[in-house]
Amino acid sequence: QVQLQESGPGLVKPSGTLSLTCAVSGGSISSSNWWSWVRQPPGKGLEWIGEIYHSGSTNYNPSLKSRVTISVDKSKNQFSLKLSSVTAADTAVYYCARKIVVALSSTTFYYYMDVWGKGTTVTVSS
Amino acid sequence: SSELTQDPAVSVALGQTVRITCQGDSLRSYYASWYQQKPGQAPVLVIYGKNNRPSGIPDRFSGSSSGNTASLTITGAQAEDEADYYCNSRDSSGNHGVVFGGGTKLTVL
Repeated sequence: QVQLQESGPGLVKPSGTLSLTCAVSGGSISSSNWWSWVRQPPGKGLEWIGEIYHSGSTNYNPSLKSRVTISVDKSKNQFSLKLSSVTAADTAVYYCARKIVVALSSTTFYYYMDVWGKGTTVTVSS
Repeated sequence: SSELTQDPAVSVALGQTVRITCQGDSLRSYYASWYQQKPGQAPVLVIYGKNNRPSGIPDRFSGSSSGNTASLTITGAQAEDEADYYCNSRDSSGNHGVVFGGGTKLTVL
């Protein structure tokens, strides 16, 4: 079955750029799913960051949109997250996840995230 | 602030039934999905769609929805059900985003 694995630096300096990659195994990133990033600050809840389709279409959390870029590399079967101008508030566990979209009609959908990576901790500190 | 509202904490006696709720305007139009998260672990999908359980999720977990409220019910709660539970659904603002509820800490007494 599909498995996801996050990787990237665990420490990023303030004002720098956080860069993470999610490797997809056991399935193709070109399948009809969206690929998401979710984060969780220490002791807090889950926050959706954004997502990408294999075509390159993206959706971002409006509160992070100005700093986020999500890209896909189909040749490597992976997708990536870049978050710029980071501060201590961006310290979190970052998860990647597969999002399934189910169409109930031409205009009505629902979503769920059925596969998650184990998460990677990123600390923003000098 | 989250567009999906959950009670921060709920408790249930071992073997009893508990309902965890999630409120939000988007739930009038879209089903919620529910995730269980234990300390130090990634979230696990437990309910999606109208009332569907992924393979491996016990049938004591069920979902329902009415108006702007989605509910996750655990019938006969077990000690291993103690965890944080999050709902999520489509963003109600009209874009194609996703939003999570703030989470509910379930304690099994």
